[in-house]
Amino acid sequence: GAVVSQHPSWVICKSGTSVKIECRSLDFQATTMFWYRQFPKQSLMLMATSNEGSKATYEQGVEKDKFLINHASLTLSTLTVTSAHPEDSSFYICSATERGEGRDEQFFGPGTRLTVL
Amino acid sequence: AQKVTQAQTEISVVEKEDVTLDCVYETRDTTYYLFWYKQPPSGELVFLIRRNSFDEQNEISGRYSWNFQKSTSSFNFTITASQVVDSAVYFCALSVRDYKLSFGAGTTVTVRA
Repeated sequence: GAVVSQHPSWVICKSGTSVKIECRSLDFQATTMFWYRQFPKQSLMLMATSNEGSKATYEQGVEKDKFLINHASLTLSTLTVTSAHPEDSSFYICSATERGEGRDEQFFGPGTRLTVL
Repeated sequence: AQKVTQAQTEISVVEKEDVTLDCVYETRDTTYYLFWYKQPPSGELVFLIRRNSFDEQNEISGRYSWNFQKSTSSFNFTITASQVVDSAVYFCALSVRDYKLSFGAGTTVTVRA
């Protein structure tokens, strides 16, 4: 199957700083990317949908000014956690969808573990 | 809105036992997709299966099998002859035409040697 990478795989930062997480589709063009958040021992919750060349669509309760999403190309979406606080510590997972004739698979990245001190 | 319920929080079995994970879903869409994912301690999601709403055939893949019943809105997953490597959190998920995944709460499976 197709490969999705995330960078970094883990990051520790101080409260108040901003952190950028990259999600790349390595061998296919992703028209849509999704960002999920998973707190310890909990399920994955969709944060936002990112479409190439347009503004991200955020799920209810997700602050768009805090979680900035940019999908500048068909292979890259970035999530920036601005002014991070300890409650933002979580596992962030992206997924990318390849769409086309006979193709509508969704592939997940390995995740990024964010710890805010 | 879509909803997925995995009523079993944790299941513990001894190696070689069979284990069945329950998944019940809710959606008003007639076209939808059901998934199962495995999440080992490393955190990376491992895709196991996808089923569309028009295909009720049961599926078997090695020691894994899935039972899809639209009449009861269930998509259950069975691991036959479990092994220690099967220990993980298993998620059932649902998506409709927008491809957004709604995940169940997950079931933690522990297989003891």
